[in-house]
Amino acid sequence: GAVVSQHPSRVICKSGTSVKIECRSLDFQATTMFWYRQFPKQSLMLMATSNEGSKATYEQGVEKDKFLINHASLTLSTLTVTSAHPEDSSFYICSAGTGTLTNYGYTFGSGTRLTVV
Amino acid sequence: AQKVTQAQTEISVVEKEDVTLDCVYETRDTTYYLFWYKQPPSGELVFLIRRNSFDEQNEISGRYSWNFQKSTSSFNFTITASQVVDSAVYFCALSRTGANSKLTFGKGITLSVRP
Repeated sequence: GAVVSQHPSRVICKSGTSVKIECRSLDFQATTMFWYRQFPKQSLMLMATSNEGSKATYEQGVEKDKFLINHASLTLSTLTVTSAHPEDSSFYICSAGTGTLTNYGYTFGSGTRLTVV
Repeated sequence: AQKVTQAQTEISVVEKEDVTLDCVYETRDTTYYLFWYKQPPSGELVFLIRRNSFDEQNEISGRYSWNFQKSTSSFNFTITASQVVDSAVYFCALSRTGANSKLTFGKGITLSVRP
């Protein structure tokens, strides 16, 4: 089945630095990638939807300049957390839409646990 | 707007008990998809089921069963003879049909199964 590989699985960075998270679709082409954030004991909140070759669509309240999303190819989407601060510490997870119009599903990456110190 | 409500936040049962996780949804769409995902402590999301809105048949997969009631906008999930390995957070989710539709998640239910 469809697999999305997400890296890194865990990252610790210093406050003020930037961190890049990658999601690769291994055996299919992901025209759309969804990026979620999950705080401890909370649900997944959609941050943005990225489409290959175009600008990402951000959800209300998500800072575009802080969370840079690039979807330059059909197999790779990246999320860069710029000038990270401790409040950005969270679990980030990507999801690719897969299937056909009448048989659509979602394949999730394994997530990235970001800790900003 | 779409909304998923999982009123139960935490459930604790003893192994071998049956447990039902409730999910109520709201949508103005006539066609949609409903999902259940399991999130173990490792964090990855494990897909359990997807149901099309036009298919109201209940489904059974091993110890898992799902009851879809369109009349009450509910999509409940039952685990029969629960096991310790079932301990996880369970999310119900909703999406529109069609490509590139985003998922709306409920808040999740933390299930603890004690030996």
